[in-house]
Amino acid sequence: QKEVEQDPGPLSVPEGAIVSLNCTYSNSAFQYFMWYRQYSRKGPELLMYTYSSGNKEDGRFTAQVDKSSKYISLFIRDSQPSDSATYLCAMSLYNQGGKLIFGQGTELSVKP
Amino acid sequence: DSGVTQTPKHLITATGQRVTLRCSPRSGDLSVYWYQQSLDQGLQFLIQYYNGEERAKGNILERFSAQQFPDLHSELNLSSLELGDSALYFCASSVESINYNEQFFGPGTRLTVL
Repeated sequence: QKEVEQDPGPLSVPEGAIVSLNCTYSNSAFQYFMWYRQYSRKGPELLMYTYSSGNKEDGRFTAQVDKSSKYISLFIRDSQPSDSATYLCAMSLYNQGGKLIFGQGTELSVKP
Repeated sequence: DSGVTQTPKHLITATGQRVTLRCSPRSGDLSVYWYQQSLDQGLQFLIQYYNGEERAKGNILERFSAQQFPDLHSELNLSSLELGDSALYFCASSVESINYNEQFFGPGTRLTVL
């Protein structure tokens, strides 16, 4: 069993839809939770970062962490075709901030 | 542009060969990380260097090695290459390493082993 599980999709939605992307994890010691966006054949770029449980909002993006359920989510409001990319969740332990454990990534396509 | 540079962009080589991938971190970043991304394994952490010293190790094969030089650039050496080593190799850099710090990823090197 992988430490971080993520539905690979692909996920196809119409422009303007609300997108929900999710990851589950098995290691309760994870403290830092991140979402990265990766366009085809490019390096991942950080979208959202949260520490421990709770919600964090940044523009059209909301990251949610539920440590009791070992479940994290990324919501994208008013999705745009430019949001079409692969979204990767990542996690790390306290005091090992450098080593990121990634999910498999969810491929998202937003249709005009 | 993240500020992290990687060379070469593409590399095609044969089984049994040895290659070196190079990474220059963002100005001021002391930590360098190497990741491998393949279709079946996803994005996997290989190794981290902090100011010239190895800080953390992931599932890096013994055939692979890395180092960080005094000017902070890093090289990942892959030897006795196998078909399964074909992947995208990313370098990332950050300011510190003890707690979480945002990692900035380079554009990657695509390695094809024939």
